[in-house]
Amino acid sequence: DSGVTQTPKHLITATGQRVTLRCSPRSGDLSVYWYQQSLDQGLQFLIQYYNGEERAKGNILERFSAQQFPDLHSELNLSSLELGDSALYFCASSVGVAGVTGELFFGEGSRLTVL
Amino acid sequence: GENVEQHPSTLSVQEGDSAVIKCTYSDSASNYFPWYKQELGKRPQLIIDIRSNVGEKKDQRIAVTLNKTAKHFSLHITETQPEDSAVYFCAASRAGNMLTFGGGTRLMVKP
Repeated sequence: DSGVTQTPKHLITATGQRVTLRCSPRSGDLSVYWYQQSLDQGLQFLIQYYNGEERAKGNILERFSAQQFPDLHSELNLSSLELGDSALYFCASSVGVAGVTGELFFGEGSRLTVL
Repeated sequence: GENVEQHPSTLSVQEGDSAVIKCTYSDSASNYFPWYKQELGKRPQLIIDIRSNVGEKKDQRIAVTLNKTAKHFSLHITETQPEDSAVYFCAASRAGNMLTFGGGTRLMVKP
């Protein structure tokens, strides 16, 4: 158990719909990262938050948005869903910025299926 | 920004053989190089990491080597076992920046 909690574990929805994925980082971790992993693909970085502020942005679509709340949990909102958005969405956390303070801890992921 | 390339994308070895996965990076200021293992349907987990002030690091059957001049680093797994079968990701970052991951290598260890 990494200490990073993601909900829901599985989600099936239809095209055009909107979903929210939730992540609670490890206790004490200030950074939260979101990654998208499509079938047999690598880890595509979406966005990072540090202590409530957006710190880095990757290839995140305009239909996607995220935020980190004062209690440090984070939500990833995906709207106007398309078939191609079906993927495993990972949240990860680190104490500071991964690389400076060490390991990135991943949650178990939220598997999104868009029909 | 940083760009990390990883080879090969798939690797099949016989149980007991060694496996080597190589990564190259573009940012000469990168100083942290972790390796993550992702078993099927599971989350990525850190297995070993190395910083730029070290050329090699070993942990039992796994080792990582770093060549800063050539900007590449490698993961070596000796005496492979079926439970080593997984996708392995390399990554690189410079101080204060986020990790950039390679595309992954699917390692299959045949019993």
